[in-house]
Amino acid sequence: DVKVTQSSRYLVKRTGEKVFLECVQDMDHENMFWYRQDPGLGLRLIYFSYDVKMKEKGDIPEGYSVSREKKERFSLILESASTNQTSMYLCASRAGGTTDTQYFGPGTRLTVL
Amino acid sequence: KNEVEQSPQNLTAQEGEFITINCSYSVGISALHWLQQHPGGGIVSLFMLSSGKKKHGRLIATINIQEKHSSLHITASHPRDSAVYICAVSPAMNYGGSQGNLIFGKGTKLSVKP
Repeated sequence: DVKVTQSSRYLVKRTGEKVFLECVQDMDHENMFWYRQDPGLGLRLIYFSYDVKMKEKGDIPEGYSVSREKKERFSLILESASTNQTSMYLCASRAGGTTDTQYFGPGTRLTVL
Repeated sequence: KNEVEQSPQNLTAQEGEFITINCSYSVGISALHWLQQHPGGGIVSLFMLSSGKKKHGRLIATINIQEKHSSLHITASHPRDSAVYICAVSPAMNYGGSQGNLIFGKGTKLSVKP
């Protein structure tokens, strides 16, 4: 069974703090993704990575950065958290192209006060 | 206009009812996915299809490529089917957009009452 884990289920941070969200997958997948999910807006892609140290901006990268130093781990970084980054963050991984199954982590509900 | 539209946005049903959720898309695709998200967050893949029909238990997914439309049916619905159902498409190779990304609908929230 593919497993995608995220470092926290719930996180509360203050405005201006640096926030790290970590995602680990155990199936040697090439591709990893970070999404945020907001009511009425659905899933929106922040960044994705198709290989170690490789990344591409998604639809809403502003205010975020990512790091992929090892194949199994993909980190999302909020350099200076703001209240409008309060959201559910979902990580996903996928072996190949978009016709392969995408596996999601359980999500991190981040609240920025 | 969103490239993937789902209807209805919200659906309440009684246990045992037959349920249909619809998905229409406006881009060329290589495949369409149906995903399920239970309260609490985790998303699982139910189906991926590029033509015809697939069945798994009480769930049936169909796609009509010419009409750019897919439906997800649930027969004999049960309260444990309560979840958000998300339609997503794999865009065709010539589609400009975030490469490697699926295009997601906003989801349909299903509540099945006992």
